[in-house]
Amino acid sequence: DVKVTQSSRYLVKRTGEKVFLECVQDMDHENMFWYRQDPGLGLRLIYFSYDVKMKEKGDIPEGYSVSREKKERFSLILESASTNQTSMYLCASAPGGVSDTQYFGPGTRLTVL
Amino acid sequence: AQSVTQPDIHITVSEGASLELRCNYSYGATPYLFWYVQSPGQGLQLLLKYFSGDTLVQGIKGFEAEFKRSQSSFNLRKPSVHWSDAAEYFCAVGAREYGNKLVFGAGTILRVKS
Repeated sequence: DVKVTQSSRYLVKRTGEKVFLECVQDMDHENMFWYRQDPGLGLRLIYFSYDVKMKEKGDIPEGYSVSREKKERFSLILESASTNQTSMYLCASAPGGVSDTQYFGPGTRLTVL
Repeated sequence: AQSVTQPDIHITVSEGASLELRCNYSYGATPYLFWYVQSPGQGLQLLLKYFSGDTLVQGIKGFEAEFKRSQSSFNLRKPSVHWSDAAEYFCAVGAREYGNKLVFGAGTILRVKS
């Protein structure tokens, strides 16, 4: 079974803090994704990575950055957290192209106070 | 621009009744179509996907979906709903022309009445 794990299920941070969300996959997948999930808006792509040290902006990259130093690990960074970044964050991985199934982690619910 | 519409935010059905969840898309290329399900407190799981061939595709948990190119739709169906099907369902669309990423609909929350 493919396993995608996220470092925290729940996280509470203060405005202005630097926040790291970690995601690890154990299936040697090429592609990894970070989404933000908000009620009524579905999932919106923040960033994705198709190889180590490679990244591409998704639809809502503002206020976020990412890091992929190892194939299995993809980190999402909020340089200076703001209250409008309170959300559910989902990580996913996929073996290859757009036709491949994406496998999701359980999510991190981030609250910024 | 690519877009995916799930017109129903909430749907309530009785256990044992049939279900249809709607999905419409707007894409300038041949789409790859997916349905994912998210049970409470969990990540998303793939139900089924369509690329080409037979327009009626079978998935897990007794779900099926039909691709209708003329209507730009990919509706999800189940003949008899179980209480465990209560979840949020997401339609997603991708195309090679737009890279290795999917566009998701807003989701439909399914409630099952006993």
